[in-house]
Amino acid sequence: ETGVTQSPTHLIKTRGQQVTLRCSSQSGHNTVSWYQQALGQGPQFIFQYYREEENGRGNFPPRFSGLQFPNYSSELNVNALELDDSALYLCASSEGGRGTDTQYFGPGTRLTVL
Amino acid sequence: KQEVTQIPAALSVPEGENLVLNCSFTDSAIYNLQWFRQDPGKGLTSLLLIQSSQREQTSGRLNASLDKSSGRSTLYIAASQPGDSATYLCAVNQAGTALIFGKGTTLSVSS
Repeated sequence: ETGVTQSPTHLIKTRGQQVTLRCSSQSGHNTVSWYQQALGQGPQFIFQYYREEENGRGNFPPRFSGLQFPNYSSELNVNALELDDSALYLCASSEGGRGTDTQYFGPGTRLTVL
Repeated sequence: KQEVTQIPAALSVPEGENLVLNCSFTDSAIYNLQWFRQDPGKGLTSLLLIQSSQREQTSGRLNASLDKSSGRSTLYIAASQPGDSATYLCAVNQAGTALIFGKGTTLSVSS
């Protein structure tokens, strides 16, 4: 069974640029959630996709957007990057859009904005 | 608004000690609570998930309890080892989608 994978591992961008992060969900999982983790903080929920539809969103501006594909992989897009967007971005997958499912996390993408 | 607090923020113990990590949350209307381990700069590893109807879960040397009415959970680690050194995060699932995390407890186990 393949776990959750994310790419790239590390990324350096400059302020104002755009970035796309990718996530492949664990086999058999149709739900993907994205989180942002600043240094020394717990992860903060960005949004969740269930069967290609957005299924919930946290307190993040519209320049954070996402997609889920028919194979349940997902992308997180961030436009007009700001210095405060520097963080570890984590993707998690689960079996269904139910609150009772365990969420399994990938290794994360470290984004640095200069 | 749900808030999750973990105490202490950091803990140092000698190898072999039994220890307890604490997690509290402000709103008891949760689906479940999950404990994670995070190594520096890495992703999260799920340790235990306790559904709202359950009181505890066990996995090896780990035991997690949940008291929903008082808004508390504890993670008990028996016979700690240096390999247990990491940050431990608890998270509650309230709305069926988002996990709401505490800031974590950073554990250091010395040999």
